[in-house]
Amino acid sequence: DVKVTQSSRYLVKRTGEKVFLECVQDMDHENMFWYRQDPGLGLRLIYFSYDVKMKEKGDIPEGYSVSREKKERFSLILESASTNQTSMYLCASTIVGSEAFFGQGTRLTVV
Amino acid sequence: GENVEQHPSTLSVQEGDSAVIKCTYSDSASNYFPWYKQELGKRPQLIIDIRSNVGEKKDQRIAVTLNKTAKHFSLHITETQPEDSAVYFCAATYNQAGTALIFGKGTTLSVSS
Repeated sequence: DVKVTQSSRYLVKRTGEKVFLECVQDMDHENMFWYRQDPGLGLRLIYFSYDVKMKEKGDIPEGYSVSREKKERFSLILESASTNQTSMYLCASTIVGSEAFFGQGTRLTVV
Repeated sequence: GENVEQHPSTLSVQEGDSAVIKCTYSDSASNYFPWYKQELGKRPQLIIDIRSNVGEKKDQRIAVTLNKTAKHFSLHITETQPEDSAVYFCAATYNQAGTALIFGKGTTLSVSS
């Protein structure tokens, strides 16, 4: 059974804090993605990675960075959290041109 | 980069009716077009996908059509049931390393009995 696991289901952080969202997949997928989901805006791509230590910016990378030191793990970092980063964050993994599997999501609230 | 437009944003149908959701994409190199269903409080899950060498694909009550010339693809759900109520997302990508998977903004489908 394929599995993509995000480290937290709910997070509350203060403005200015550094926030780490972790995602682990057990399917040996090359590609991993971070999206944020907001009502009416769909799934917007923040960053993705197609190999260890490789990363590409998505549509909304500002205020975020990522790390992929191992194939199975892809981390999203908010260097200095702001209230406009309050959102649902979804991680996904896939092999090239095939089904993407999503994590359960992390609901982040920045106060 | 790729841009995916999805319409309509909301769709209400009666049980038993058909529902159609349409998407357009911008990058002619895209060759893989999945559709995801997201139920309330759950993660998106793949329901059907189509590749650019195929014009239509069907799986029971769900079908997807692709028009490469016009760069649009559509999801068709027949004989809708209340359990079809969810948010549906289309996406586009191409079969190459370093390729982003870009989603449309989603369609909220409501099926009333």
